[in-house]
Amino acid sequence: DTAVSQTPKYLVTQMGNDKSIKCEQNLGHDTMYWYKQDSKKFLKIMFSYNNKELIINETVPNRFSPKSPDKAHLNLHINSLELGDSAVYFCASSQDGARADGYTFGSGTRLTVV
Amino acid sequence: QKEVEQDPGPLSVPEGAIVSLNCTYSNSAFQYFMWYRQYSRKGPELLMYTYSSGNKEDGRFTAQVDKSSKYISLFIRDSQPSDSATYLCASASGGYNKLIFGAGTRLAVHP
Repeated sequence: DTAVSQTPKYLVTQMGNDKSIKCEQNLGHDTMYWYKQDSKKFLKIMFSYNNKELIINETVPNRFSPKSPDKAHLNLHINSLELGDSAVYFCASSQDGARADGYTFGSGTRLTVV
Repeated sequence: QKEVEQDPGPLSVPEGAIVSLNCTYSNSAFQYFMWYRQYSRKGPELLMYTYSSGNKEDGRFTAQVDKSSKYISLFIRDSQPSDSATYLCASASGGYNKLIFGAGTRLAVHP
């Protein structure tokens, strides 16, 4: 009974391809996030959704498009993949976006662009 | 300058040592301070959470926040090999806040 689950766990793809990463949480949380962790382990937020509404959209290339069909799901679609997109992408959720103490992270999707 | 600065290490200590991990931050609006532990190829897991200044203790772990000097610390007593991981400090302000992470410190506790 995984709290925040991401699929796939690993993704190897060629430059120029389009790919999606899926995230689901069964915690009943209202807010979901996408974070990117680079090779130096630096974690940086990309997007945040609260009850299907986009509330944080950091300076991310518009090749990245999040979609939240319902508050338990937040998917990430990436168009025209580039070498620099190689990283680990983490989905997270929290009960209330106004509080920062309850983030639960998924186990990550390791994306490698070749 | 990054909003949250953290020495990436690595830090190597013998089993049983007291470990001190530190971060500094620059944004005075930060009210929430957290430490996450991340094992290799896993997601970060919340270890300690503090609101505003003060100390918080949980077993072998103590988190300290000094807002006057913008300094965040995590102490691990009687460190164990199972504590070997990357420790990430994070801070946030109010509202629909985003967590701002430090670079993470890699800790190795050897038997």
